[in-house]
Amino acid sequence: AQSVTQLDSQVPVFEEAPVELRCNYSSSVSVYLFWYVQYPNQGLQLLLKYLSGSTLVKGINGFEAEFNKSQTSFHLRKPSVHISDTAEYFCAVSNSGGYNKLIFGAGTRLAVHP
Amino acid sequence: EAGVTQSPTHLIKTRGQQATLRCSPISGHTSVYWYQQALGLGLQFLLWYDEGEERNRGNFPPRFSGRQFPNYSSELNVNALELEDSALYLCASSLKGVYGYTFGSGTRLTVV
Repeated sequence: AQSVTQLDSQVPVFEEAPVELRCNYSSSVSVYLFWYVQYPNQGLQLLLKYLSGSTLVKGINGFEAEFNKSQTSFHLRKPSVHISDTAEYFCAVSNSGGYNKLIFGAGTRLAVHP
Repeated sequence: EAGVTQSPTHLIKTRGQQATLRCSPISGHTSVYWYQQALGLGLQFLLWYDEGEERNRGNFPPRFSGRQFPNYSSELNVNALELEDSALYLCASSLKGVYGYTFGSGTRLTVV
């Protein structure tokens, strides 16, 4: 069975500072990895995904993530955050065997302060 | 292109009643997924429909059921509502062979 662990439930950061949101997964098969963002009272929006190829994935809004197979991690980073980045961020995994069911982590609340 | 649409936006029901939630996928998407997002519990997978068939089911009791119609829209039914069913119910859709979903904005179900 697959699982996702988001190591931080909350991450406070000042505006224009860099941020890293951590995600580790466990799976016995090859996986696909995703990061979604949820703004208050909204659904989830896809930030980026790793399916294959380059382990550094660039997404929307200046976010990027790096797939590290040996450490089973897929950490999300942004070099300089804005107030508007305040939201809940979810890491998700699905197996690569044609079964498009996503398993989500518990989420990390990013709070950007002025 | 219209996104995934869910209705109603909010729903208030009494314990023991039934709730019906609706989802229209993006045009051309044949798969529909339902998730429950309860406070403090994250996103829990409920159901997956593809081309009219139930493909997978999460760890929920049988009073959670649904169906997918020939136009690929979907309905989630929750019978014998309990207070702990109060949550945001999210629907998502995907194209066949494309990994990752597009989510709707959800239906907020409150059971009183």
